[in-house]
Amino acid sequence: QAQLVQSGGGVVQPGRSLRLSCEASGFIFSSHAIHWVRQAPGKGLEWVGIVWYDGTSKFYADSVKGRFTISRDNSRYTVDLQMNSLRVEDTAVYYCARDRGGDGYNPADYWGQGTLVIVSS
Amino acid sequence: DIVMTQSPDSLAVSLGERATITCKSSQSVLYHSNNENYLAWYQHKPGQPPKLLIYWASTRESGVPDRFSGSGSGTDFTLTINNLQAEDVAVYYCQQYYRAPNTFGQGTKLEIK
Repeated sequence: QAQLVQSGGGVVQPGRSLRLSCEASGFIFSSHAIHWVRQAPGKGLEWVGIVWYDGTSKFYADSVKGRFTISRDNSRYTVDLQMNSLRVEDTAVYYCARDRGGDGYNPADYWGQGTLVIVSS
Repeated sequence: DIVMTQSPDSLAVSLGERATITCKSSQSVLYHSNNENYLAWYQHKPGQPPKLLIYWASTRESGVPDRFSGSGSGTDFTLTINNLQAEDVAVYYCQQYYRAPNTFGQGTKLEIK
């Protein structure tokens, strides 16, 4: 059974950095793209970005472009979300999710449990 | 970016009745070379991760009850929930995966009347 387990998160001051991790198991990790999706308090789901199966392509939402970076290590079955220059509006529950395929042109079928990031002074 | 617009924003339906949620994309998400609509529906309950219900606009995910169905093509899509059950209370989202950014609709909150 595919599983994604997230770690990281917490409280951080505006302008600082934080790194979230997503560890996969139960499937061939190197065959699947991984998405990051967030939900701010009281708001809907917002797609944050994606890394393709081999790490060669990455795409980001305009709201995080230039500040967030997604990376993956297929040997360790992990994907990281490096968040720099954090803003109060980045406060949200962050989810990693498996793309059913390798390149983002498929639905997200397995999701991590979510991790809360609070950006506050 | 492709903008996804759902209606209504909230909906109250009696147990056993039908709920209908619509989703409109600002441009077509139908890929003509394979005749597939790159559109998914998710169910999201508080404290849980979202759950995939429907993909390719009308294909039900394994394990999803058959009272959930999706329809539509191009720019207009519908999620229908027949015989509403108490456990269906949730927020429902459509999402396009035709082109990055893979945008979501704003969500529709479904409650019991």
